[in-house]
Amino acid sequence: GNSVTQMEGPVTLSEEAFLTINCTYTATGYPSLFWYVQYPGEGLQLLLKATKADDKGSNKGFEATYRKETTSFHLEKGSVQVSDSAVYFCALSRDNQGGKLIFGQGTELSVKP
Amino acid sequence: DAGVIQSPRHEVTEMGQEVTLRCKPISGHDYLFWYRQTMMRGLELLIYFNNNVPIDDSGMPEDRFSAKMPNASFSTLKIQPSEPRDSAVYFCASRKKAGGYTFGSGTRLTVV
Repeated sequence: GNSVTQMEGPVTLSEEAFLTINCTYTATGYPSLFWYVQYPGEGLQLLLKATKADDKGSNKGFEATYRKETTSFHLEKGSVQVSDSAVYFCALSRDNQGGKLIFGQGTELSVKP
Repeated sequence: DAGVIQSPRHEVTEMGQEVTLRCKPISGHDYLFWYRQTMMRGLELLIYFNNNVPIDDSGMPEDRFSAKMPNASFSTLKIQPSEPRDSAVYFCASRKKAGGYTFGSGTRLTVV
């Protein structure tokens, strides 16, 4: 079946540090891949997405590249801020399954000043 | 655009009571999803609807859970009877066909 695996958290970084959160997936065919962010007490917000191999999604300084050969979609940011502290979820969807999202377990990021 | 609206934001109930969670999707969205979030199991899809019709309810944990979508602007998730292990945050989300998801702010359910 389809599944998503993320690196375990929590991840604690100092402000301006480089961020990588690993995500790998298992799926048949060509899923779309997403990163969602959840701030405390809120719902999930789409951070970025990629719909085909070698696509790069980017938003607010975050980037992730759809790597079919390694079935990965790692999230990166060159310089994190305290305001980036949140839980990050990697997810995939298949259009022939109603586009339902399958999430990884989430990675909590804490950025210290 | 008010987004996806869920109510209540918080619910505390006693074991054995019936609980009803509500969701108003974004107007014009064809799909509606119910997710449950717990520390142990992460985000799980419970059920989703397309044009008000339930398409996949394989994630509904057991017969105590039921969901309805009587019209395009309203859905409910009911738990009867509730149990402490049902304590979680329940999210509703909606989307257009080939469009992005919009999540509600969630309902935090505590069953004591």
